[in-house]
Amino acid sequence: DAGVIQSPRHEVTEMGQEVTLRCKPISGHNSLFWYRQTMMRGLELLIYFNNNVPIDDSGMPEDRFSAKMPNASFSTLKIQPSEPRDSAVYFCASSLAIRSAEVSGELFFGEGSRLTVL
Amino acid sequence: AQSVTQPDIHITVSEGASLELRCNYSYGATPYLFWYVQSPGQGLQLLLKYFSGDTLVQGIKGFEAEFKRSQSSFNLRKPSVHWSDAAEYFCAVGSKAAGNKLTFGGGTRVLVKP
Repeated sequence: DAGVIQSPRHEVTEMGQEVTLRCKPISGHNSLFWYRQTMMRGLELLIYFNNNVPIDDSGMPEDRFSAKMPNASFSTLKIQPSEPRDSAVYFCASSLAIRSAEVSGELFFGEGSRLTVL
Repeated sequence: AQSVTQPDIHITVSEGASLELRCNYSYGATPYLFWYVQSPGQGLQLLLKYFSGDTLVQGIKGFEAEFKRSQSSFNLRKPSVHWSDAAEYFCAVGSKAAGNKLTFGGGTRVLVKP
């Protein structure tokens, strides 16, 4: 069974350019999360969706960041315009909503997209 | 609001020695607790979880963790460390009330000496 798939794995871009990161969650999962990981700030939750609806975007740094989930099998995180301080590894994760000991909301992570903004 | 503290940023342990990683959480109700491991260049992988029941839980790769409500702790242990256990370890707390949102600790980086 395929896990969470993210693309691209690596992206190098120049300041001011638009960056789009993509994520395909595990089939059947109904929650999707975008995290950002840096040395300075650790793992930060940016936004998450339940059943394709954004539930909490309080972690989105500013208006330059936007995320969409047009259907259950695809999500994007867009940065426009990008800045050097956006350089980080961006992780997508998916899960099933908590409803039992067997389905207790653990996240399944993709391998991440490493973004470098010059 | 839920929060997680991992007091140790780095731990160095000799191969074959025992390992214990500390995790303290703050949450009013019964939390769901998780330990994840991240190898270099990889995403996070679930090691084990506590949902309810037996407070000592077994995970993959020979790891176990014990939930102690009185101490608000969920420490991770391994009796004998292998070089491949060198990685970063994250404790996380979640709950139904939080809407599937997990809160992660800052992580503990484990170095294994030969």
